[in-house]
Amino acid sequence: SAVISQKPSRDICQRGTSLTIQCQVDSQVTMMFWYRQQPGQSLTLIATANQGSEATYESGFVIDKFPISRPNLTFSTLTVSNMSPEDSSIYLCSFKVTDTEAFFGQGTRLTVV
Amino acid sequence: KQEVTQIPAALSVPEGENLVLNCSFTDSAIYNLQWFRQDPGKGLTSLLLIQSSQREQTSGRLNASLDKSSGRSTLYIAASQPGDSATYLCAVRQTGANNLFFGTGTRLTVIP
Repeated sequence: SAVISQKPSRDICQRGTSLTIQCQVDSQVTMMFWYRQQPGQSLTLIATANQGSEATYESGFVIDKFPISRPNLTFSTLTVSNMSPEDSSIYLCSFKVTDTEAFFGQGTRLTVV
Repeated sequence: KQEVTQIPAALSVPEGENLVLNCSFTDSAIYNLQWFRQDPGKGLTSLLLIQSSQREQTSGRLNASLDKSSGRSTLYIAASQPGDSATYLCAVRQTGANNLFFGTGTRLTVIP
């Protein structure tokens, strides 16, 4: 299985600021996904991103709020912009390393105060 | 749109008991189904993956079954241990898609 390193693992941020979350995988992968898990909820897909193209956002998520970078096949970032307390969640990156199985990073626990 | 439901939402059992977690999905056109474990405040650990053509998968004390036509999967945990305490999530991948649709999870507590 792939080793996925996500950081920071947690952060407490002031409202109105932005936080960039990084995800690094130890092998080259084509497809990657960013998910959000709000308190007490299950995971919801934010966007799908491939290297060399713009991310595709799910309904309810926009690029201005959640810009994503995918500079190469082993690295990606998600920025949570102009944060409000409603953005307090766990954010997880996921890579589809094989054709079947999905692997996840350790998650970033974000608290906005 | 695919909807995934897990029952029960929470479960508490004494150590040593066998238990079953349930997952149901509304659209049977799935490519595979994956069971994950999530510890508090942490990411997801993949437990078992069942392809749409398979009926079950086993790993140690865990056994997952899939009945695609009825839209159901179960995760059986034998001889539960306190270390099994976590939230268990099932997720399905639709045919032709790459992302996962997640259930709401079952929070399991195994009492020593």
